[in-house]
Amino acid sequence: DTGVSQDPRHKITKRGQNVTFRCDPISEHNRLYWYRQTLGQGPEFLTYFQNEAQLEKSRLLSDRFSAERPKGSFSTLEIQRTEQGDSAMYLCASILGSSGMNEQYFGPGTRLTVT
Amino acid sequence: KNQVEQSPQSLIILEGKNCTLQCNYTVSPFSNLRWYKQDTGRGPVSLTIMTFSENTKSNGRYTATLDADTKQSSLHITASQLSDSASYICVVSAGKTGNQFYFGTGTSLTVIP
Repeated sequence: DTGVSQDPRHKITKRGQNVTFRCDPISEHNRLYWYRQTLGQGPEFLTYFQNEAQLEKSRLLSDRFSAERPKGSFSTLEIQRTEQGDSAMYLCASILGSSGMNEQYFGPGTRLTVT
Repeated sequence: KNQVEQSPQSLIILEGKNCTLQCNYTVSPFSNLRWYKQDTGRGPVSLTIMTFSENTKSNGRYTATLDADTKQSSLHITASQLSDSASYICVVSAGKTGNQFYFGTGTSLTVIP
């Protein structure tokens, strides 16, 4: 257990439905990342927060995706009108401080299946 | 284009044997290189972090090497154990603050008794 938690761990939804995932980073970690990982692939960057500010978004993050970190603590990732191609593992990671050498701690992920 | 490539894609070894995984990258500006171990259905866990000035770093039976000139890294696992069965992912951090992370596709290692 790295100290980063994600909820739910698994989500099955029908195409067209909206889903929301939550990530609770390690306390006081100011940087928070969301990644998407499909089977047999490495994680792909989606978005990055420093405190409550969303500093960077990947082109992968279409208009159907939105992420928030309202108080600089937990974060949510919402997918609207889900498609089968959204089926993947969604990983959250947090880092303390601003040094590029600091450790990145990953949560266990949320496995999304869109039927 | 910033890319991280790993080889082999998968590997099967006998328990107790050693193995070496490879990582080549074309990421700029380079900040640091990390190796992660990811068990099936879990998030990645960090093994090593190296800057361009570090040639080698060990973490128990795991030893990572880095050649910043050729932009290559390797992860050597000695005396493999069944619990080493996992995916090993090479990650290169880029940018002035190292806030951008580029992931390889991983090497799937299976250790058999």
